[in-house]
Amino acid sequence: GDSVTQMEGPVTLSEEAFLTINCTYTATGYPSLFWYVQYPGEGLQLLLKATKADDKGSNKGFEATYRKETTSFHLEKGSVQVSDSAVYFCALSTSAGGTSYGKLTFGQGTILTVHP
Amino acid sequence: ETGVTQSPTHLIKTRGQQVTLRCSSQSGHNTVSWYQQALGQGPQFIFQYYREEENGRGNFPPRFSGLQFPNYSSELNVNALELDDSALYLCASSWGDRGLGYGYTFGSGTRLTVV
Repeated sequence: GDSVTQMEGPVTLSEEAFLTINCTYTATGYPSLFWYVQYPGEGLQLLLKATKADDKGSNKGFEATYRKETTSFHLEKGSVQVSDSAVYFCALSTSAGGTSYGKLTFGQGTILTVHP
Repeated sequence: ETGVTQSPTHLIKTRGQQVTLRCSSQSGHNTVSWYQQALGQGPQFIFQYYREEENGRGNFPPRFSGLQFPNYSSELNVNALELDDSALYLCASSWGDRGLGYGYTFGSGTRLTVV
């Protein structure tokens, strides 16, 4: 079945540091890939997405590139801020394999804490 | 445009009891999905409702059931509660029967504690 593996956390950085959160996936068919962010006490918010190989998703300074050859979708940001502190989830979605619906399969999440 | 609203926000139940969680979908959305997020874990897909029928289900036992109403709102029912059912339950709405992830809007969730 489909699965997503994220790097172990938590990740602690100083403000303006470079961020990388690794994500690899296993999927049947041709998935779409996503990064969601969850702030304390809130639901999930879509951060960025990519729907085909070599696509780069970007939003709010975050970027991730869909790498089919390495089945990866690593999240990067050049300069993090305190306000980026949250839990980040990598996810995939596919309606292949005979399903008639789209569901999200999530990784376990990575806690990011940014200090001033 | 209103987002996804879930109620209640917090709930404490005793093992063996039954619980109903509610979700109002975002305006214009006709599909609702439910996810269970255990502490420190990623959300797990429970099921999806489209046009008032269940059209996809994850690896959850039959005591997890749901409904979708003509106004596209939804309920998640869990019977015979177990301690392991303690989790954050997230509702996500979308348009169309596939959604494909980027069409989903998530609510803030209901925190269920089973004691």
